[in-house]
Amino acid sequence: NAGVTQTPKFRILKIGQSMTLQCTQDMNHNYMYWYRQDPGMGLKLIYYSVGAGITDKGEVPNGYNVSRSTTEDFPLRLELAAPSQTSVYFCASSWVPPGRGADGYTFGSGTRLTVV
Amino acid sequence: AQTVTQSQPEMSVQEAETVTLSCTYDTSESDYYLFWYKQPPSRQMILVIRQEAYKQQNATENRFSVNFQKAAKSFSLKISDSQLGDAAMYFCAYRSAGDMRFGAGTRLTVKP
Repeated sequence: NAGVTQTPKFRILKIGQSMTLQCTQDMNHNYMYWYRQDPGMGLKLIYYSVGAGITDKGEVPNGYNVSRSTTEDFPLRLELAAPSQTSVYFCASSWVPPGRGADGYTFGSGTRLTVV
Repeated sequence: AQTVTQSQPEMSVQEAETVTLSCTYDTSESDYYLFWYKQPPSRQMILVIRQEAYKQQNATENRFSVNFQKAAKSFSLKISDSQLGDAAMYFCAYRSAGDMRFGAGTRLTVKP
């Protein structure tokens, strides 16, 4: 049981380049999330999904796009990388919807992205 | 909007001693859930303990316990008999009808 798997673990991008951060979970969770963690800050929600084909914006969505074609996969796309997107990115999944029950999130191990 | 505040950027504790990490939150909701996550240098986010707001009894998990004061909107984490492996960033988190909101974290150092 792998849980939530994120790839790559590290990446350096040049300004203006594009990339996709991959996230896969094998727990059949409907709810998936992308967070970014900046130094000295807590995690901030970028996008989330409540099921295949359904996504919505979080607190800091600008500069990112997502898709959810399957229950397992929730990739995050950066189209034109900017230095402000230098951060650690976490994918997470959950069994219960927001506000229902005390289920915490299962997190991936993160992707450290540097934009230079 | 709900906010979560951790006022201690860094804390240190002697091995085998007890330490308390503070967390306050702001909400107008009556039904919500609170969490403490541990993030060791590996970056993995690990759920330490959770508390349902409707429960008056404080949650405990082995050496970890919370002091939940609903009226004061306070949710502190107590680590007893601290071990070297407890050294990590600790995040307080709040969850209600929306997504989970996190505090800025407290870096805990454990001195041998």
